[in-house]
Amino acid sequence: ETGVTQSPTHLIKTRGQQVTLRCSSQSGHNTVSWYQQALGQGPQFIFQYYREEENGRGNFPPRFSGLQFPNYSSELNVNALELDDSALYLCASSPVDGTEAFFGQGTRLTVV
Amino acid sequence: GNSVTQMEGPVTLSEEAFLTINCTYTATGYPSLFWYVQYPGEGLQLLLKATKADDKGSNKGFEATYRKETTSFHLEKGSVQVSDSAVYFCALRPRDQNFVFGPGTRLSVLP
Repeated sequence: ETGVTQSPTHLIKTRGQQVTLRCSSQSGHNTVSWYQQALGQGPQFIFQYYREEENGRGNFPPRFSGLQFPNYSSELNVNALELDDSALYLCASSPVDGTEAFFGQGTRLTVV
Repeated sequence: GNSVTQMEGPVTLSEEAFLTINCTYTATGYPSLFWYVQYPGEGLQLLLKATKADDKGSNKGFEATYRKETTSFHLEKGSVQVSDSAVYFCALRPRDQNFVFGPGTRLSVLP
């Protein structure tokens, strides 16, 4: 067990709706990043937060947004959901001087 | 840009067979290299890592060596078990940047 927890574990939404996914990072880790893993593919980087500021972003549209809180937990928000947003969303936390990251179990989002 | 290429799966082996999953990468600078494993319905678990050239990462009988000259990080295990059945992801991470993952290789081990 990594100490990174995500909620909810599964979620079904309708196209056009908005969704918020949550992540509690491992104690002592101040960097949180989010990845999207479509079925049968490798995870793709969405964005990263360090000390409550976004400090890196992948090739995702602005309707994907996030927050990091003072306790280093994080949220991923997706507006105007599309069918292609159906995927496993993974949160990863790491210490500022670490090379590895610890992943949560993920949230499985299904858009219908 | 940074990218990771893995051998196509699925790979099907008999128990106690030798495993190799090839991984090559393209990167600027000298990234850290990783193998992650994903069991059905679960997130990613770190299997092993190497942070500089010629480093060997090892864990649970799996090994991989960071080869800068061939830009490779092939995963090997001498004797696989049914419980090793999973999807394996090779990944790189430049310093202070995000992970870049390969597409994954599904391994099935038959008793």
